[in-house]
Amino acid sequence: EAQVTQNPRYLITVTGKKLTVTCSQNMNHEYMSWYRQDPGLGLRQIYYSMNVEVTDKGDVPEGYKVSRKEKRNFPLILESPSPNQTSLYFCASSFYREDTEAFFGQGTRLTVV
Amino acid sequence: GQQVMQIPQYQHVQEGEDFTTYCNSSTTLSNIQWYKQRPGGHPVFLIQLVKSGEVKKQKRLTFQFGEAKKNSSLHITATQTTDVGTYFCAGANDYKLSFGAGTTVTVRA
Repeated sequence: EAQVTQNPRYLITVTGKKLTVTCSQNMNHEYMSWYRQDPGLGLRQIYYSMNVEVTDKGDVPEGYKVSRKEKRNFPLILESPSPNQTSLYFCASSFYREDTEAFFGQGTRLTVV
Repeated sequence: GQQVMQIPQYQHVQEGEDFTTYCNSSTTLSNIQWYKQRPGGHPVFLIQLVKSGEVKKQKRLTFQFGEAKKNSSLHITATQTTDVGTYFCAGANDYKLSFGAGTTVTVRA
């Protein structure tokens, strides 16, 4: 089954404790991205990757890091989480570029206390 | 930068009634996509519109792309409880996608 898999689905952590949210897709998509969803603000892009070893900032990159060492994986790293990063996070992939159909993961609900 | 505005933010509908949600962009779009997110779920792609004035239908859903390619609408007829969720439009320009804030739909049985 074609899918984007995120882990964990839920995470509660403390301020400053480094964490990683994993994302993996099995569709051989070149393009992957991370979004955060906050009430009234819709989906805002954090980082994106056009291919292996090619990443770039989205609209709200501060406080986040990403890497793309393999085509299928695109982890999101929070080196020192803060409460304002409490949000619902989605990983998405597209066949070859951002403006084509996006497939979203199930989401990760992150709470930073 | 590119902005996509979506109205209304909330839509409360009586089951069986029709409603429309609108999406407006500050710039001309190359295409517009619509997604649906069920409560507790993730966004799921519904459709993509590319041509000026394009109209596409999916059962009770009608999607329209404006002549100037700066606005779009989603019209749902005879609303059912299965239509509950948040509908997002996403406008594409210069290969970048910008999402609207979404219209959250609730249905009164």
